[in-house]
Amino acid sequence: DAGITQSPRHKVTETGTPVTLRCHQTENHRYMYWYRQDPGHGLRLIHYSYGVKDTDKGEVSDGYSVSRSKTEDFLLTLESATSSQTSVYFCAISVGTSLSYEQYFGPGTRLTVT
Amino acid sequence: GENVEQHPSTLSVQEGDSAVIKCTYSDSASNYFPWYKQELGKGPQLIIDIRSNVGEKKDQRIAVTLNKTAKHFSLHITETQPEDSAVYFCAASGNNQGGKLIFGQGTELSVKP
Repeated sequence: DAGITQSPRHKVTETGTPVTLRCHQTENHRYMYWYRQDPGHGLRLIHYSYGVKDTDKGEVSDGYSVSRSKTEDFLLTLESATSSQTSVYFCAISVGTSLSYEQYFGPGTRLTVT
Repeated sequence: GENVEQHPSTLSVQEGDSAVIKCTYSDSASNYFPWYKQELGKGPQLIIDIRSNVGEKKDQRIAVTLNKTAKHFSLHITETQPEDSAVYFCAASGNNQGGKLIFGQGTELSVKP
């Protein structure tokens, strides 16, 4: 898993509650990503980061925010969870000096919003 | 923006046969094409990738081919084994997309012993 851990690995929460997922890497890579995976959609990019406090939106960013205060941690927050955010969330890091390098994924967090 | 289509969505082969999964992309500026294997309950694992300056790349039983003119690329697995059973994803990326990966919808490969 390229030194990537995600926590929690499973979470059930109620509609309207805030949720924060954590991604931690041990190798000081600059680029980090959050994806969601849903049946029939492959993986879709939510947000990404290219350094501490430097983040940008992906293709499905509505309803999500991110923060990166340390190189090793990238947090994904659902401010007010909705049932449509039930999904498996994957964090990834990019090895190299630009975005166009190999990405390696963490083990995932399964989130259920009831 | 970039769009990646992947076919077939499911593929069943006999052990020892070959498997081929195909992807097409829309943005001619894309220049990086990785393939991922995802086993049940795990994150996607990068298995092979190719850049637009080459047409084919091999790694033991797996190979990827790229046709830039037709904008498609394929994953070839030879001598399939039951442990090759998984979901496979293709993706495309390029500088015009800020290097972000756009994924295909996935192919569930089943290798029958």
